[in-house]
Amino acid sequence: SQQGEEDPQALSIQEGENATMNCSYKTSINNLQWYRQNSGRGLVHLILIRSNEREKHSGRLRVTLDTSKKSSSLLITASRAADTASYFCATDVRGGSNYKLTFGKGTLLTVNP
Amino acid sequence: EAGVVQSPRYKIIEKKQPVAFWCNPISGHNTLYWYLQNLGQGPELLIRYENEEAVDDSQLPKDRFSAERLKGVDSTLKIQPAELGDSAVYLCASSSLVPQLGESTDTQYFGPGTRLTVL
Repeated sequence: SQQGEEDPQALSIQEGENATMNCSYKTSINNLQWYRQNSGRGLVHLILIRSNEREKHSGRLRVTLDTSKKSSSLLITASRAADTASYFCATDVRGGSNYKLTFGKGTLLTVNP
Repeated sequence: EAGVVQSPRYKIIEKKQPVAFWCNPISGHNTLYWYLQNLGQGPELLIRYENEEAVDDSQLPKDRFSAERLKGVDSTLKIQPAELGDSAVYLCASSSLVPQLGESTDTQYFGPGTRLTVL
C-alpha cells in the first residue's frame, strides 16, 4: 500500500511559470523526501525535509511540511522544459528496527516551451 | 562516480518462463533495495539488504520471487515462473547509511530499471 498521495495527478504549465505539487500522508513520519523521474529513467533524489522542519529550499525548489495536516508541498519556480518529469513524495516511517521509504503515485508535470 | 547499474534494461519473455535481473550498486553503499514500479504508480519495496543480509523481505512474493546479494555487493532478483501480472519496471537502489533509530539521512540512489514484459 502507498502512504503518500500526490495532488494533482497531472499538471501542465508554460515555461517560466511556477509549479506546485502536494503530498498527503497518513501516519507519523521521520522525514519526507521528493524524487523526480524522467520518462524511462530511475528516480533522482531532490530534497529531504525532516519532521521538525517546516520549510526547505534548494535552488528553484521549495518544500514545505505541515505535520499537523500530514501534508507537504513542492514548489518549482521559473519552470523549464527540462523540469518535465514525474515527481514523487516518499515518506520515511520507522518502527523499531524497521525502516521503510514509501512512495506516492506521483504527479506528472509537463512544462511546455 | 558511476551510478547504480542494472541489466538488462528491457526483457520480454513468455509467461511461465524464468527471468533474472542484475544490479550493481554504487561502490561503498551497503544498503540495497529492489522495487517494483507499475505503470502510473510509485515504486513499491520488494526487498532491502544491509550488506548481504535481507533485513526486510516482507513484500517479496516468495512463492515465485527470490533474491540474493552474495558478498554484499551485486544483487540478483529472480522470478520463476513469471506471470502476466509481473509486467512492470524493476528498480534497484542503493544507499550508504544503515538507518538508525532517530536518524533520518537515507537518500536512495536509483538505477534506470529493467522493464519486464510478460506475454
